[in-house]
Amino acid sequence: SQQGEEDPQALSIQEGENATMNCSYKTSINNLQWYRQNSGRGLVHLILIRSNEREKHSGRLRVTLDTSKKSSSLLITASRAADTASYFCATDATHGNKLVFGAGTILRVKS
Amino acid sequence: DAGVIQSPRHEVTEMGQEVTLRCKPISGHDYLFWYRQTMMRGLELLIYFNNNVPIDDSGMPEDRFSAKMPNASFSTLKIQPSEPRDSAVYFCASAGARGLFFGSGTQLSVL
Repeated sequence: SQQGEEDPQALSIQEGENATMNCSYKTSINNLQWYRQNSGRGLVHLILIRSNEREKHSGRLRVTLDTSKKSSSLLITASRAADTASYFCATDATHGNKLVFGAGTILRVKS
Repeated sequence: DAGVIQSPRHEVTEMGQEVTLRCKPISGHDYLFWYRQTMMRGLELLIYFNNNVPIDDSGMPEDRFSAKMPNASFSTLKIQPSEPRDSAVYFCASAGARGLFFGSGTQLSVL
């Protein structure tokens, strides 16, 4: 069963614009992670935010976490055509690396 | 390190046949996961191992599915007999201190 639900399901923007994707989840978590998946490939880990953190940055990525609302957002600034991919949030409710993935957001960045 | 290696990349088989998917995790990783990805159901965790021991197989859909990890460097996911609804991309992932890493997946088509 899926824990996280991303929205929007699909997002199309122009190169240079910012892209924001949201994720909601249902149960208490230890951490939340974001992954990217290029077409025909496996998922690649982008960033992890722990339950006691509210915001985290990595390069052009900014992740926020609101545990009271059970939601997270991923912001990609100054998007590039190479950012075109599907983005998934995943929650870890245990200490055993067992991740439950959301349905994903398909991002298309037009050049 | 070559990353998580899965074989075959593509498998086409007929209904009723046995299918075996293979995975070589990253050396030193002590967790191994099998996921299935479909358009309808997204990314589902099937089973995961810790130190070669199955920890949680609650995601395995039916008795037709079985997974083994005879040693730290090899795991198999077997479907016997296969059915058309098993058609999906099957991912293996391994986890260590630096996080979760996915293989490129096996695209299975059951005709």
